[in-house]
Amino acid sequence: KNEVEQSPQNLTAQEGEFITINCSYSVGISALHWLQQHPGGGIVSLFMLSSGKKKHGRLIATINIQEKHSSLHITASHPRDSAVYICAVRFYGAGSYQLTFGKGTKLSVIP
Amino acid sequence: NAGVTQTPKFQVLKTGQSMTLQCAQDMNHEYMSWYRQDPGMGLRLIHYSVGAGITDQGEVPNGYNVSRSTTEDFPLRLLSAAPSQTSVYFCASSYSPSEKLFFGSGTQLSVL
Repeated sequence: KNEVEQSPQNLTAQEGEFITINCSYSVGISALHWLQQHPGGGIVSLFMLSSGKKKHGRLIATINIQEKHSSLHITASHPRDSAVYICAVRFYGAGSYQLTFGKGTKLSVIP
Repeated sequence: NAGVTQTPKFQVLKTGQSMTLQCAQDMNHEYMSWYRQDPGMGLRLIHYSVGAGITDQGEVPNGYNVSRSTTEDFPLRLLSAAPSQTSVYFCASSYSPSEKLFFGSGTQLSVL
């Protein structure tokens, strides 16, 4: 079964710290998404990657296709970054119209 | 621009009742999908559609039906609700699974 693993499951950081959340997957993919789920439950898309690196404000997402690994970095973290961050991938092959999700990383940023 | 509109936000059903969760998007997206989110499980795909008239099953389709008669609408039907269907449900749309995803606000469903 194609799988997506995220680490850590939970992360507590002090305001201003640099944060890294990791996502690993089992086989080749055509796309990887990073999502943010707010404490109120809403989900927003942060990035979609198929290669390389993307940056938006204090958020940076990278992907290493050979190592089957992606990271989401948050620079100068702030309490408003507290949320669950979710990785989702589109695997190649049968079922390629489906997305498989990691279980999420719960981030708490303390003032 | 309304994006993805999902209704209702909350629903309580009794075992055996049926209901329809509504999902509509105004972005002309071909790809629409339904997920359920349970504690410790992450989001799991129920059904998806790649265009009007085309639907397929995801990871957990049992007990749910979908149809896609128009590009805009993708309703999810619970045929005979069971307590195991208590969950939070999300609808999402995009041009394709490799494009930016847009999510509805979610439906918290309780089946008693």
